[in-house]
Amino acid sequence: EVQVEESGGGLVQPGGSLRLSCAASGFTFSDHYMDWVRQAPGKGLEWVGRTRNKANSYTTEYAASVKGRFTISRDDSKNSLYLQMDSLKTEDTAVYYCARVSVVLPAATDYWGQGTLVTVSS
Amino acid sequence: DIQMTQSPSTLSASVGDRVTITCRASQSISSWLAWYQQKPGKAPKLLIYKASSLESGVPSRFSGSGSGTEFTLTISSLQPDDFATYYCQQYKSYPLTFGGGTKAEIK
Repeated sequence: EVQVEESGGGLVQPGGSLRLSCAASGFTFSDHYMDWVRQAPGKGLEWVGRTRNKANSYTTEYAASVKGRFTISRDDSKNSLYLQMDSLKTEDTAVYYCARVSVVLPAATDYWGQGTLVTVSS
Repeated sequence: DIQMTQSPSTLSASVGDRVTITCRASQSISSWLAWYQQKPGKAPKLLIYKASSLESGVPSRFSGSGSGTEFTLTISSLQPDDFATYYCQQYKSYPLTFGGGTKAEIK
């Protein structure tokens, strides 16, 4: 069974940092691109960024709203995805979802975790 | 960036109704469009990919159509489990973008 599970959310002050993790199981993690998507309270979905797989040099893409502040990385040996968030702003408050990208590209995200809440507040 | 516009933002319907949601892209995305369903407090669930391909395990009452800039999600006979919020997403080019969502409510 495909599973992805986020962790690491919590309360952080503006200007602070936080690192989210996503543990994957039930599929060959190293084959897949992976996304982060967020949802502010009561709002719609916002794509945060993507990491490609080893075959594509682990390159990344980011939304303009987080570029230069957030960094996506992965450790295929641990089947894990990470989101390092620096210089956090109040508008980064959201539930953050980790999502698997289907293997045949271009592809939609076909499995999502349950999300982890990040609250940026003083 | 490609803007995705969904309509309506809210719809009220009864069980058994045929429901259609529209998604328009600000430029052509060929067929690189997905539809997701989200229930309160839950993660989004993929329903349709490549505009009209039904994800495995999704009931056949869901269907998608369109290409280029105009797309539709149709639920042929709305069921109680279908009251949720629906999002379209383009994955033709970065940044990937979602529509604003359509909330399906019970009439």
